[in-house]
Amino acid sequence: QKEVEQNSGPLSVPEGAIASLNCTYSDRGSQSFFWYRQYSGKSPELIMFIYSNGDKEDGRFTAQLNKASQYVSLLIRDSQPSDSATYLCAVSNTGNQFYFGTGTSLTVIP
Amino acid sequence: NAGVTQTPKFRILKIGQSMTLQCAQDMNHNYMYWYRQDPGMGLKLIYYSVGAGITDKGEVPNGYNVSRSTTEDFPLRLELAAPSQTSVYFCASSQTGIGEAFFGQGTRLTVV
Repeated sequence: QKEVEQNSGPLSVPEGAIASLNCTYSDRGSQSFFWYRQYSGKSPELIMFIYSNGDKEDGRFTAQLNKASQYVSLLIRDSQPSDSATYLCAVSNTGNQFYFGTGTSLTVIP
Repeated sequence: NAGVTQTPKFRILKIGQSMTLQCAQDMNHNYMYWYRQDPGMGLKLIYYSVGAGITDKGEVPNGYNVSRSTTEDFPLRLELAAPSQTSVYFCASSQTGIGEAFFGQGTRLTVV
């Protein structure tokens, strides 16, 4: 069973703060790592992807990957109320399948 | 600029009825996926396809069937609907299988 684990939250941060979202995965053969944002009643949309160890920055978002620890995280700087959503961690393996965590609910308080 | 299109958006089925959820993509992606999402839960893979004519089971395939006769279409068939199949169903596609997956808008299915 390939598992992707996330803290379900809810995570609440004040506007302007840094939100830190974490994810661990069990399959060492995983190749690609994704963070999706899902607003209530909507479909998931891609925020970030990362393939290599280290950090990847895109605007206010930074993805961090540590394959040795089987750990991937997402940092959201200068959090805005519009960032309030559920964040899904997804992992893709050599079998061309995507496995999703249960998601972390984030609320940014104005 | 349609991307992944799912129909219908909403459906109510009676126990024992059957239906087909439609999914079409216009991005010429090889890989297509069906997921279900129960309240407060992540996405569970039902079936996936790596190309026309090729399908395989995911984590939760029981009670479902799929076919992939063309690159564009990947319908999901529910036979003998059960209340446990009440869920939101998402279809997704990906060019490479390890790259970004694009999602349809979802089908909210209720079985009563």
